[in-house]
Amino acid sequence: GNSVTQMEGPVTLSEEAFLTINCTYTATGYPSLFWYVQYPGEGLQLLLKATKADDKGSNKGFEATYRKETTSFHLEKGSVQVSDSAVYFCALTNTGGFKTIFGAGTRLFVKA
Amino acid sequence: EAQVTQNPRYLITVTGKKLTVTCSQNMNHEYMSWYRQDPGLGLRQIYYSMNVEVTDKGDVPEGYKVSRKEKRNFPLILESPSPNQTSLYFCASSPPRDTYEQYFGPGTRLTVT
Repeated sequence: GNSVTQMEGPVTLSEEAFLTINCTYTATGYPSLFWYVQYPGEGLQLLLKATKADDKGSNKGFEATYRKETTSFHLEKGSVQVSDSAVYFCALTNTGGFKTIFGAGTRLFVKA
Repeated sequence: EAQVTQNPRYLITVTGKKLTVTCSQNMNHEYMSWYRQDPGLGLRQIYYSMNVEVTDKGDVPEGYKVSRKEKRNFPLILESPSPNQTSLYFCASSPPRDTYEQYFGPGTRLTVT
C-alpha cells in the first residue's frame, strides 16, 4: 500500500539557518504530494503541493520538488524564522483523490 | 469567511457513552474526510465522503460511523467509545477533485475514560 516516511524530529535551528525536512513515499499510480503545516493549537494548513513529476511547489519561501526517480518530496527553506516553528507533515493523495496518507510529522523549533 | 468548523472542540466522556462530533463547511465542497492524529503516527484517515450519501472507509474505520445527508455536514459518530479512541480529531474538506488540497477544521480533542 501507499506510505509516507519523513525524518524524525524535533529539528532545532537558529534563525536564518537553512532547513531541509526529508520526505520519501511509496505509491502506485501518480499521486499528488503535499506539505501541510500545523501551528500550535491549530488545524493543518496547506503549505505547498505538486501534482506531477518534476513539479516544484513553493510558498512563503518554502520549496519542494516532486522527484519520481527517487520517490521524494523534500521540504527546503533558505532562511528560517522563529515564526516557522511548527509541525510539518508530508502527505500524498492517491490517483482519484479520495485517500490521503500522512507522514508522522516533523516538529521544527527555530531559536532567535 | 470560508471555513471548516467542528464541535465540540474539547470533550471528556466515559467508555460506552455514544457521542457525535459535528463538522460543517461553508465552501460547497463535495469531498469531506475525518482523521485522527496520534503522537508519532501523524494523521490517519477514518472515513471520507465523495458527495451526499456517498461514504467509504479510510485506514482506521473501526469503532466509528459517519453520515452525509447534506453537502455541508459530515458528522463523526462513536457509538460506544473506548479509551483507545482518545485522540485529536480533524475534519477536512476539499474543492473539486482535480486539486486534492484539503482545508482542515480546528480539531476536536477527545478523551475517553
